[in-house]
Amino acid sequence: GQNIDQPTEMTATEGAIVQINCTYQTSGFNGLFWYQQHAGEAPTFLSYNVLDGLEEKGRFSSFLSRSKGYSYLLLKELQMKDSASYLCAVRDSNYQLIWGAGTKLIIKP
Amino acid sequence: IAGITQAPTSQILAAGRRMTLRCTQDMRHNAMYWYRQDLGLGLRLIHYSNTAGTTGKGEVPDGYSVSRANTDDFPLTLASAVPSQTSVYFCASSDSDRDEQFFGPGTRLTVL
Repeated sequence: GQNIDQPTEMTATEGAIVQINCTYQTSGFNGLFWYQQHAGEAPTFLSYNVLDGLEEKGRFSSFLSRSKGYSYLLLKELQMKDSASYLCAVRDSNYQLIWGAGTKLIIKP
Repeated sequence: IAGITQAPTSQILAAGRRMTLRCTQDMRHNAMYWYRQDLGLGLRLIHYSNTAGTTGKGEVPDGYSVSRANTDDFPLTLASAVPSQTSVYFCASSDSDRDEQFFGPGTRLTVL
């Protein structure tokens, strides 16, 4: 079966750095996405990785290792508004997205 | 305003009733999707459409049907609602199945 694993919940301090991990086992791989979802709102796109390595976009970076079936999302200089759920999704061989259950990130002052 | 709209925002429905959730996008995206999101689970694909006139089944299609008569609209119909269909439903669109997906605001559906 297809499986995306990420921690259920993480807590971090304002101004700090946090890394959210995602491991996957899917039928084929055509890219990995990270989305942010604030409570009661729609998911919004953060990043996309299809090749191994680090993609940086402002305070957010995303890393991919295809051989290990592993990705992480790195958030720097955390702000209170970063409190949200972070969803990892893998595009499989049918070009459909398989989603993890999401990691709820709690930021404390 | 560019984006995706969904209607209704929320709905309480008696079991056995028929219900259509509406989704409209104005980005001229070719692909559209319906997901359900349940606590503790990832988004699950119900149905999708890669282009107007075509539809496909996702991971959890039973009890749901869709149509794609034109580029902009992608309604989701529950023929006879059951309590297990209580969920938050998100419509999404993308330029193609190789691009990032943009999500509508969601419909919170409760079936009693």
